[in-house]
Amino acid sequence: AQKVTQAQTEISVVEKEDVTLDCVYETRDTTYYLFWYKQPPSGELVFLIRRNSFDEQNEISGRYSWNFQKSTSSFNFTITASQVVDSAVYFCALSAEYGGSQGNLIFGKGTKLSVKP
Amino acid sequence: AAGVIQSPRHLIKEKRETATLKCYPIPRHDTVYWYQQGPGQDPQFLISFYEKMQSDKGSIPDRFSAQQFSDYHSELNMSSLELGDSALYFCASSIQGAGDSPLHFGNGTRLTVT
Repeated sequence: AQKVTQAQTEISVVEKEDVTLDCVYETRDTTYYLFWYKQPPSGELVFLIRRNSFDEQNEISGRYSWNFQKSTSSFNFTITASQVVDSAVYFCALSAEYGGSQGNLIFGKGTKLSVKP
Repeated sequence: AAGVIQSPRHLIKEKRETATLKCYPIPRHDTVYWYQQGPGQDPQFLISFYEKMQSDKGSIPDRFSAQQFSDYHSELNMSSLELGDSALYFCASSIQGAGDSPLHFGNGTRLTVT
């Protein structure tokens, strides 16, 4: 069975602080994809990153960085120098991988991040 | 760039009524997924279609049905609506196969059942 755990329900930081959102996953699949999505108060789901289980290389995109460690089944997300606009619910998700394609997504419960000015 | 289009954005229905939600995937995307997100909850997978055939099924109630048409748009039909059906319904699309794309979601349809 597949499962995604985001242990942090809510996090509150002050602007310019760094913040890390934790994600731990469980799967019996040998190949899979991991994702992060952002859901701002307006409600849409914004795609942030997809990582294939073959690729453990960490990734940085501007103020965002992701740390994927298969040994601990974790895919953590760090925002550096947080801003008020980062306030949102962040979802980590997992899908199986079939011949290069993804299956449906299993989401974690989400972490609500509040960045105060 | 073109995104997934969902209509309507908001829908208010009474109990026992029916509702139809529409989804227009990103051009050239052959796979459509439907998700339901209750208040304060994570999105739950309902059903997916690949090349107009149902490809996977999740926690979709028997009162709901869906299909994908020849132009790849999809409709989610919901009958005998219940208060508990009030949620945000997302459609997502992707391309399967080599070089596939991650799921990109539409802005959702907020259904309120009164």
